[in-house]
Amino acid sequence: EVQLVETGGGLVQPGRSLKLSCVASGFTFSSYWMYWIRQAPGKGLEWVSSINTDGGSTYYPDSVKGRFTISRDNAENTVYLQMNSLRSEDTATYYCAKGMDAWGQGASVTVSS
Amino acid sequence: DIVMTQAPLSVSVTPGESASISCRSSKSLLSSKGITSLYWYLQRPGKSPQLLIYRMSNLASGVPDRFSGSGSETDFTLKISKVETEDVGVYYCGHRLEYPFTFGSGTKLEIK
Repeated sequence: EVQLVETGGGLVQPGRSLKLSCVASGFTFSSYWMYWIRQAPGKGLEWVSSINTDGGSTYYPDSVKGRFTISRDNAENTVYLQMNSLRSEDTATYYCAKGMDAWGQGASVTVSS
Repeated sequence: DIVMTQAPLSVSVTPGESASISCRSSKSLLSSKGITSLYWYLQRPGKSPQLLIYRMSNLASGVPDRFSGSGSETDFTLKISKVETEDVGVYYCGHRLEYPFTFGSGTKLEIK
């Protein structure tokens, strides 16, 4: 059974940093692209980042480019999202996803002073 | 960016009846490989989204065959036949044709 468990969420002040982790199990992690998608409270879905199987290629929307960094450790079956210069509009539940097909339960991030 | 437009905003259905949700893309989602990059997700209340349909018309693993997807290059339909109470939630369409991936704003399905 595919399992994706996100950790690292919390309350952070504007301008500060936070790093999310997603530990995967139940599939061959190194064979899949991994993604982060977020959902602001009461809102729809927004793709945040993608990383290929070996971590050599990453992609971001303009809304987070230059502030967020996705990375992975295939030995640890873990994908990360480093979020810098956080803004109030980054407040959301952050989901990691295997191939955009299976999603974790989400990690809540609140950016507020 | 490709804009995904869903309709209706919400739908109320009697159990056992059918429901249809529409999704339109601002650009053809047919890739050069002949794949239509349109996906449907269901987000049940308080849960994370789950994949229902991939590549426009393929049923994801474990999804009841009451769900079906169809469409063209820019107009798509999710049909739910014989709606059950467990189908309540918000349905999203989304594409993976190119970056940025984008989603529709969602259609809320309620039970009468």
